[in-house]
Amino acid sequence: GQNIDQPTEMTATEGAIVQINCTYQTSGFNGLFWYQQHAGEAPTFLSYNVLDGLEEKGRFSSFLSRSKGYSYLLLKELQMKDSASYLCAVLDSNYQLIWGAGTKLIIKP
Amino acid sequence: GAVVSQHPSRVICKSGTSVKIECRSLDFQATTMFWYRQFPKQSLMLMATSNEGSKATYEQGVEKDKFLINHASLTLSTLTVTSAHPEDSSFYICSARKGDGEYQPQHFGDGTRLSIL
Repeated sequence: GQNIDQPTEMTATEGAIVQINCTYQTSGFNGLFWYQQHAGEAPTFLSYNVLDGLEEKGRFSSFLSRSKGYSYLLLKELQMKDSASYLCAVLDSNYQLIWGAGTKLIIKP
Repeated sequence: GAVVSQHPSRVICKSGTSVKIECRSLDFQATTMFWYRQFPKQSLMLMATSNEGSKATYEQGVEKDKFLINHASLTLSTLTVTSAHPEDSSFYICSARKGDGEYQPQHFGDGTRLSIL
């Protein structure tokens, strides 16, 4: 079966750095997406990785290792507004998007 | 940009009512749109994939006669929840993929919170 694992919840301090991990086991791989979803709102696109390595976009970076079936989202200089759920999603060989359950990130002052 | 507009944002209605939700891509053409449902504290559940000019593809367990999807143009898809019941109460979210490539990210509308009394 297809499976995406990410921690259910994480807590971090304002101004700090946090890394949200995602591991996946899917039938094929055509890329991995990270989305941010604030409570009661729809997801917003953060990043897309299809090649190994780190992609940096401002305070957010996303890393991929295809051989390990592993990705992480790195958030720097955390702000209170970063409190949200972060969804990992993998595009499988049939170009179906397989969604993780999301990681709820709580930022404390 | 890639703006997706979803309307209405909130619906409260009586059991047995049919509810229509619109999803529009405002600044791009979307040959493929997606309809999701999300229950509180749960992940997104794909209901169906909507392709312009053809029938929607429904996920297993989703009743196509209850959730009618029409993708009449490259910028508009509609979801009609027919004869809605309290168990249909949920957060419905549409998304649209910009461009033809499956690698393109999905851009989401703001969602519709449906409450059936």
